[in-house]
Amino acid sequence: EVQLVESGGGLVQPGGSLRLSCAASGFTFRDYSMHWVRQAPGKGLVWVSRINSGGSTITYADSVKGRFTISRDDAKTSLYLQMNSLRVEDTAVYYCARSREGAFERWGQGTLVTVSS
Amino acid sequence: QSALTQPASVSGSPGQSITISCTGTSSDIGHYNYVSWYQQHPGKVPKLMISEVTNRPSGVSIRFSGSRSGNTASLTISGLQAEDEADYYCGSYTTTSTQLFGGGTKVTVL
Repeated sequence: EVQLVESGGGLVQPGGSLRLSCAASGFTFRDYSMHWVRQAPGKGLVWVSRINSGGSTITYADSVKGRFTISRDDAKTSLYLQMNSLRVEDTAVYYCARSREGAFERWGQGTLVTVSS
Repeated sequence: QSALTQPASVSGSPGQSITISCTGTSSDIGHYNYVSWYQQHPGKVPKLMISEVTNRPSGVSIRFSGSRSGNTASLTISGLQAEDEADYYCGSYTTTSTQLFGGGTKVTVL
């Protein structure tokens, strides 16, 4: 069974840092592009970042470029998101998702990040 | 990176058909076949309903169908049921190798 389990969320002050992890199982992790998608409370889905299989191609939404870094460890079948210089508007549930042919076909349960003083 | 444009809400009676539109540009919806649709019930994880404009993943009801005309994609739900009441999001790959979502459409079953 395909499973994506996020962790690392929590409360952080503006300007602080947080590292999210996503543990994958039930599929050949290295073969898939992986993404982070976020959803602020009561708001819609917003794509954050993508890393392709092999890690050679990485893209970011303009809103997080220069502050967030996506990475993967295929040996540990894990995806990461290093978030620096956090802002109040980064408050959201962060989902990791597996994609195929441009569609997010599997999602984790999400981890809540709250940026507040 | 502007979001794709969806109507805020659509409603219909049980058994009716409804269509949700999703308007983008020639750099996203109009450029690739990588258009997808997601259903999200309150407090739940999004679920893929349509991929590659028209493909329905295994397990998704045949009442759900996708289409595209130019820079606008559409999701049609036929034979509307109470369980279809949820938020629906469109998504597209873009020419800058990023992904976009629409703002979401709340479907209400009257």
